[in-house]
Amino acid sequence: GAGVSQSPSNKVTEKGKDVELRCDPISGHTALYWYRQRLGQGLEFLIYFQGNSAPDKSGLPSDRFSAERTGESVSTLTIQRTQQEDSAVYLCASSFLSGNYYGYTFGSGTRLTVV
Amino acid sequence: AQTVTQSQPEMSVQEAETVTLSCTYDTSESDYYLFWYKQPPSRQMILVIRQEAYKQQNATENRFSVNFQKAAKSFSLKISDSQLGDAAMYFCAYRRIGGTASKLTFGTGTRLQVTL
Repeated sequence: GAGVSQSPSNKVTEKGKDVELRCDPISGHTALYWYRQRLGQGLEFLIYFQGNSAPDKSGLPSDRFSAERTGESVSTLTIQRTQQEDSAVYLCASSFLSGNYYGYTFGSGTRLTVV
Repeated sequence: AQTVTQSQPEMSVQEAETVTLSCTYDTSESDYYLFWYKQPPSRQMILVIRQEAYKQQNATENRFSVNFQKAAKSFSLKISDSQLGDAAMYFCAYRRIGGTASKLTFGTGTRLQVTL
């Protein structure tokens, strides 16, 4: 597609439920990133996929968080047993090459609210 | 580990005036990239300007320019002839060159208000 697409745009869930967030990167982009942005704060790195290499999971805050990516296409971020502290905007981004000059193209994010 | 610091949580500028947003960073690398991103209420992060650390010349994109001071590890953004559409959160970001650790490290952001 023309841009990075994320769904849903907004998600309200009850504490303790599992949620799945989806990201469709730009076609041909080999690198895909997930970030978390809490209200009024900067972006916090979660996980990074690059082609068929093992993902960099160093930013995942707990084992309740996991992510998958099928080849160089769609990625899903799963949060199990959600907590109120998980409430945030989850942003996905993709780029053509992992170490290139061009920064990323971001999606519009999913706003997750845990009640 | 790399860190990025934006010490101005909020800034205000009058329309048509000039404003400078500050950013400092810490790294032991000699070459890297620096970016400024804009985040309007739509949430989407939009790349404003980028700089390669090995280039001494400051990057410019229309009304946006940077003052890159490598020795001081400073990377400020200047917005000239400010417009109402410039109102947004602005984030400074750092990225290593090469390797697998290519994630962007962001500062905490500066909220820019543009007044009439």
